[in-house]
Amino acid sequence: EDKVVQSPLSLVVHEGDTVTLNCSYEVTNFRSLLWYKQEKKAPTFLFMLTSSGIEKKSGRLSSILDKKELFSILNITATQTGDSAIYLCAVGQYGSSNTGKLIFGQGTTLQVKP
Amino acid sequence: NAGVTQTPKFQVLKTGQSMTLQCAQDMNHEYMSWYRQDPGMGLRLIHYSVGAGITDQGEVPNGYNVSRSTTEDFPLRLLSAAPSQTSVYFCASSLLRVSGNTIYFGEGSWLTVV
Repeated sequence: EDKVVQSPLSLVVHEGDTVTLNCSYEVTNFRSLLWYKQEKKAPTFLFMLTSSGIEKKSGRLSSILDKKELFSILNITATQTGDSAIYLCAVGQYGSSNTGKLIFGQGTTLQVKP
Repeated sequence: NAGVTQTPKFQVLKTGQSMTLQCAQDMNHEYMSWYRQDPGMGLRLIHYSVGAGITDQGEVPNGYNVSRSTTEDFPLRLLSAAPSQTSVYFCASSLLRVSGNTIYFGEGSWLTVV
Protein backbone atom coordinates (compact mmCIF):
# COMPACT_ATOMS: atom_id res chain seq x y z
CA GLU A 1 0.00 0.00 0.00
CA ASP A 2 1.36 3.41 -0.97
CA LYS A 3 1.92 5.71 1.98
CA VAL A 4 3.49 9.00 2.97
CA VAL A 5 4.42 9.59 6.61
CA GLN A 6 5.35 12.93 8.13
CA SER A 7 7.05 13.63 11.43
CA PRO A 8 6.68 15.17 13.85
CA LEU A 9 2.91 15.59 13.74
CA SER A 10 3.15 18.82 15.71
CA LEU A 11 5.88 21.15 16.79
CA VAL A 12 6.06 24.28 18.95
CA VAL A 13 9.08 26.55 18.65
CA HIS A 14 10.01 30.16 19.40
CA GLU A 15 10.76 32.85 16.89
CA GLY A 16 14.28 32.59 15.57
CA ASP A 17 14.52 28.82 15.97
CA THR A 18 15.37 26.51 13.08
CA VAL A 19 13.04 23.59 12.39
CA THR A 20 13.32 20.45 10.29
CA LEU A 21 10.21 18.66 9.07
CA ASN A 22 10.44 15.11 7.82
CA CYS A 23 8.60 13.20 5.11
CA SER A 24 9.18 9.54 4.30
CA TYR A 25 7.39 7.62 1.59
CA GLU A 26 6.74 4.17 0.22
CA VAL A 27 5.11 4.79 -3.12
CA THR A 28 5.19 2.83 -6.35
CA ASN A 29 6.17 4.62 -9.55
CA PHE A 30 7.48 7.67 -7.69
CA ARG A 31 7.46 10.78 -9.84
CA SER A 32 7.81 13.79 -7.57
CA LEU A 33 7.54 14.98 -3.98
CA LEU A 34 5.80 18.21 -3.17
CA TRP A 35 5.63 20.42 -0.09
CA TYR A 36 2.65 22.64 0.68
CA LYS A 37 1.90 25.19 3.38
CA GLN A 38 -1.65 25.44 4.66
CA GLU A 39 -2.92 28.35 6.73
CA LYS A 40 -6.60 27.74 7.48
CA LYS A 41 -7.52 27.65 3.82
CA ALA A 42 -6.28 25.87 0.71
CA PRO A 43 -2.73 24.47 0.58
CA THR A 44 -0.24 26.68 -1.19
CA PHE A 45 2.66 25.27 -3.14
CA LEU A 46 6.20 25.50 -1.74
CA PHE A 47 8.49 23.08 -3.56
CA MET A 48 8.53 20.22 -6.00
CA LEU A 49 11.43 17.78 -5.85
CA THR A 50 12.22 15.14 -8.43
CA SER A 51 15.97 14.55 -8.16
CA SER A 52 18.04 13.39 -5.20
CA GLY A 53 20.51 15.70 -3.54
CA ILE A 54 19.46 18.93 -5.22
CA GLU A 55 18.38 21.50 -2.67
CA LYS A 56 15.48 23.76 -3.47
CA LYS A 57 15.54 27.08 -1.66
CA SER A 58 13.13 29.94 -1.23
CA GLY A 59 14.08 32.56 1.31
CA ARG A 60 14.30 30.92 4.72
CA LEU A 61 12.80 27.66 3.46
CA SER A 62 14.74 24.87 1.83
CA SER A 63 14.08 21.26 0.96
CA ILE A 64 15.97 18.25 -0.28
CA LEU A 65 15.06 14.78 -1.47
CA ASP A 66 16.83 11.44 -0.92
CA LYS A 67 15.41 8.90 -3.37
CA LYS A 68 17.64 6.13 -2.09
CA GLU A 69 16.44 6.41 1.50
CA LEU A 70 12.94 7.54 0.42
CA PHE A 71 12.60 10.73 2.40
CA SER A 72 12.62 14.47 2.18
CA ILE A 73 13.19 17.25 4.69
CA LEU A 74 11.88 20.77 4.83
CA ASN A 75 14.02 23.25 6.75
CA ILE A 76 12.86 26.61 8.02
CA THR A 77 15.52 28.89 9.46
CA ALA A 78 14.96 31.96 11.67
CA THR A 79 11.29 31.05 12.12
CA GLN A 80 8.66 33.79 12.37
CA THR A 81 5.12 33.70 13.71
CA GLY A 82 3.91 33.85 10.11
CA ASP A 83 5.44 30.41 9.55
CA SER A 84 2.78 28.92 11.83
CA ALA A 85 0.80 26.55 9.60
CA ILE A 86 0.26 22.94 8.63
CA TYR A 87 3.00 21.70 6.32
CA LEU A 88 1.91 18.97 3.95
CA CYS A 89 4.08 16.55 2.02
CA ALA A 90 2.63 14.82 -1.05
CA VAL A 91 3.94 12.35 -3.60
CA GLY A 92 2.96 12.16 -7.24
CA GLN A 93 3.20 9.00 -9.30
CA TYR A 94 3.82 7.99 -12.88
CA GLY A 95 1.31 5.92 -14.79
CA SER A 96 -1.89 6.60 -16.71
CA SER A 97 -4.02 5.54 -13.77
CA ASN A 98 -2.05 7.72 -11.39
CA THR A 99 -1.52 10.84 -13.44
CA GLY A 100 -2.46 13.92 -11.47
CA LYS A 101 -3.10 12.06 -8.21
CA LEU A 102 -1.25 13.03 -5.07
CA ILE A 103 -0.77 10.92 -1.94
CA PHE A 104 -0.60 13.20 1.09
CA GLY A 105 1.04 12.69 4.45
CA GLN A 106 -0.76 13.55 7.69
CA GLY A 107 0.79 16.98 7.87
CA THR A 108 2.99 18.64 10.48
CA THR A 109 1.38 21.43 12.51
CA LEU A 110 3.99 24.07 13.32
CA GLN A 111 3.34 26.76 15.90
CA VAL A 112 5.88 29.56 16.24
CA LYS A 113 5.59 31.55 19.47
CA PRO A 114 6.77 35.15 19.75
CA ASN B 1 -8.95 35.13 -12.81
CA ALA B 2 -11.27 32.74 -10.95
CA GLY B 3 -9.15 29.56 -10.77
CA VAL B 4 -10.99 26.85 -8.81
CA THR B 5 -14.29 27.89 -7.29
CA GLN B 6 -16.02 25.82 -4.61
CA THR B 7 -19.47 26.35 -3.17
CA PRO B 8 -20.81 26.44 -0.55
CA LYS B 9 -18.06 27.47 1.84
CA PHE B 10 -19.96 26.35 4.93
CA GLN B 11 -22.85 23.91 5.28
CA VAL B 12 -24.62 22.17 8.13
CA LEU B 13 -26.61 19.06 7.26
CA LYS B 14 -28.79 16.70 9.20
CA THR B 15 -28.03 12.99 9.08
CA GLY B 16 -29.66 11.45 6.04
CA GLN B 17 -29.91 14.65 4.03
CA SER B 18 -28.36 14.92 0.61
CA MET B 19 -26.37 17.75 -0.88
CA THR B 20 -23.95 18.61 -3.64
CA LEU B 21 -20.66 20.44 -3.30
CA GLN B 22 -19.95 22.37 -6.46
CA CYS B 23 -16.53 22.77 -8.05
CA ALA B 24 -15.73 24.70 -11.20
CA GLN B 25 -12.47 25.66 -12.85
CA ASP B 26 -11.85 27.99 -15.77
CA MET B 27 -8.33 26.90 -16.69
CA ASN B 28 -9.28 24.08 -19.08
CA HIS B 29 -7.63 21.52 -16.79
CA GLU B 30 -8.19 17.89 -17.67
CA TYR B 31 -7.67 16.60 -14.14
CA MET B 32 -10.01 17.39 -11.25
CA SER B 33 -10.26 15.80 -7.86
CA TRP B 34 -11.93 15.97 -4.47
CA TYR B 35 -10.10 15.58 -1.18
CA ARG B 36 -11.29 15.57 2.38
CA GLN B 37 -9.17 16.77 5.25
CA ASP B 38 -9.61 15.58 8.81
CA PRO B 39 -7.42 16.42 11.83
CA GLY B 40 -4.22 14.37 11.80
CA MET B 41 -5.11 12.68 8.50
CA GLY B 42 -3.75 15.02 5.86
CA LEU B 43 -5.72 15.18 2.61
CA ARG B 44 -7.34 11.98 1.41
CA LEU B 45 -8.49 11.51 -2.16
CA ILE B 46 -12.22 10.82 -2.58
CA HIS B 47 -12.79 10.76 -6.35
CA TYR B 48 -10.98 12.08 -9.35
CA SER B 49 -11.48 12.62 -13.07
CA VAL B 50 -9.03 12.80 -15.96
CA GLY B 51 -11.52 14.30 -18.37
CA ALA B 52 -15.18 14.79 -19.21
CA GLY B 53 -17.08 11.55 -18.88
CA ILE B 54 -14.28 9.80 -16.95
CA THR B 55 -14.27 9.40 -13.18
CA ASP B 56 -12.61 7.01 -10.77
CA GLN B 57 -12.45 6.28 -7.08
CA GLY B 58 -9.76 7.46 -4.77
CA GLU B 59 -8.81 6.32 -1.29
CA VAL B 60 -12.11 7.08 0.51
CA PRO B 61 -14.98 7.00 -2.03
CA ASN B 62 -17.76 5.42 0.06
CA GLY B 63 -20.77 7.69 0.57
CA TYR B 64 -19.85 10.02 -2.29
CA ASN B 65 -20.75 10.21 -5.97
CA VAL B 66 -19.25 12.34 -8.71
CA SER B 67 -19.86 13.07 -12.36
CA ARG B 68 -17.94 15.01 -14.98
CA SER B 69 -20.27 16.11 -17.77
CA THR B 70 -18.09 19.07 -18.74
CA THR B 71 -14.39 19.91 -18.47
CA GLU B 72 -15.18 22.82 -16.14
CA ASP B 73 -17.41 21.22 -13.50
CA PHE B 74 -16.88 18.37 -11.05
CA PRO B 75 -19.64 18.21 -8.41
CA LEU B 76 -19.42 15.96 -5.35
CA ARG B 77 -22.68 14.47 -4.11
CA LEU B 78 -23.47 13.17 -0.66
CA LEU B 79 -26.57 11.02 -1.08
CA SER B 80 -27.30 10.37 2.61
CA ALA B 81 -25.06 12.39 4.88
CA ALA B 82 -23.52 10.78 7.95
CA PRO B 83 -21.70 12.40 10.89
CA SER B 84 -18.50 10.66 9.70
CA GLN B 85 -18.62 12.93 6.66
CA THR B 86 -18.08 16.01 8.78
CA SER B 87 -14.89 17.37 7.28
CA VAL B 88 -13.28 20.03 5.16
CA TYR B 89 -13.49 19.31 1.45
CA PHE B 90 -11.08 20.59 -1.16
CA CYS B 91 -11.48 20.48 -4.89
CA ALA B 92 -8.29 20.58 -6.98
CA SER B 93 -7.48 20.74 -10.65
CA SER B 94 -4.40 20.45 -12.79
CA LEU B 95 -3.13 19.69 -16.23
CA LEU B 96 -2.53 15.98 -16.83
CA ARG B 97 0.89 15.94 -15.29
CA VAL B 98 2.00 16.32 -11.71
CA SER B 99 3.75 19.64 -11.50
CA GLY B 100 3.36 21.22 -8.11
CA ASN B 101 2.87 24.78 -9.12
CA THR B 102 0.12 23.89 -11.56
CA ILE B 103 -2.08 22.07 -9.04
CA TYR B 104 -4.76 24.51 -7.99
CA PHE B 105 -6.91 24.06 -4.90
CA GLY B 106 -10.26 25.62 -4.18
CA GLU B 107 -10.76 27.53 -0.94
CA GLY B 108 -12.43 24.62 0.81
CA SER B 109 -15.92 23.71 1.97
CA TRP B 110 -16.55 23.17 5.67
CA LEU B 111 -19.28 20.56 6.12
CA THR B 112 -20.86 19.59 9.44
CA VAL B 113 -23.31 16.68 9.66
CA VAL B 114 -25.36 16.60 12.85
